[in-house]
Amino acid sequence: AQTVTQSQPEMSVQEAETVTLSCTYDTSESDYYLFWYKQPPSRQMILVIRQEAYKQQNATENRFSVNFQKAAKSFSLKISDSQLGDAAMYFCAYRSSNTGANSKLTFGKGITLSVRP
Amino acid sequence: GAGVSQTPSNKVTEKGKYVELRCDPISGHTALYWYRQSLGQGPEFLIYFQGTGAADDSGLPNDRFFAVRPEGSVSTLKIQRTERGDSAVYLCASSPTGTSGAYEQYFGPGTRLTVT
Repeated sequence: AQTVTQSQPEMSVQEAETVTLSCTYDTSESDYYLFWYKQPPSRQMILVIRQEAYKQQNATENRFSVNFQKAAKSFSLKISDSQLGDAAMYFCAYRSSNTGANSKLTFGKGITLSVRP
Repeated sequence: GAGVSQTPSNKVTEKGKYVELRCDPISGHTALYWYRQSLGQGPEFLIYFQGTGAADDSGLPNDRFFAVRPEGSVSTLKIQRTERGDSAVYLCASSPTGTSGAYEQYFGPGTRLTVT
């Protein structure tokens, strides 16, 4: 079974600064997808960024980028130029890429990010 | 277009009562997932539908929990004899298909269930 670990329960960042959120995972599969989701107080899960394990290039989406280290099974999220609206819970998630298999998401415990004005 | 909707937004019930939680997926999405998110935790998988059938219900915690999707669209999660430990946010997500991990899952806003 796959597991996702987020060991930092909380982090804080100054507005306009950069912050990195850590995530590690464990799997015996060679092909899979990794995700970062944002969950504001409204509870709506919003996809921030995704990474396909077969791609060596790290994914980027505007101010969000990842550092994907497949051998180390590490998948961190970097938020640049932090904004007040980035304050939320962030979840790292894993999904198998096996066709025909259940494509459920396996989530970490999450990290609460606060942004100081 | 409309996203995933869930009703009710909040539900308070007494221990031992029966509750139903509803999920309306995005039109045309054949895959539907239920997750449960306890306070301070990440969502945990409960059940996955591909069309009308439950393709994987391995996450349901016990036989008090049951879900249906009779016409391949709306799904209802049913909890019998509720317990205080059932208190959580129940999230629903849909995806164009569940047979490939390439597709994004779109989440609803969840139902917060409180059992008193």
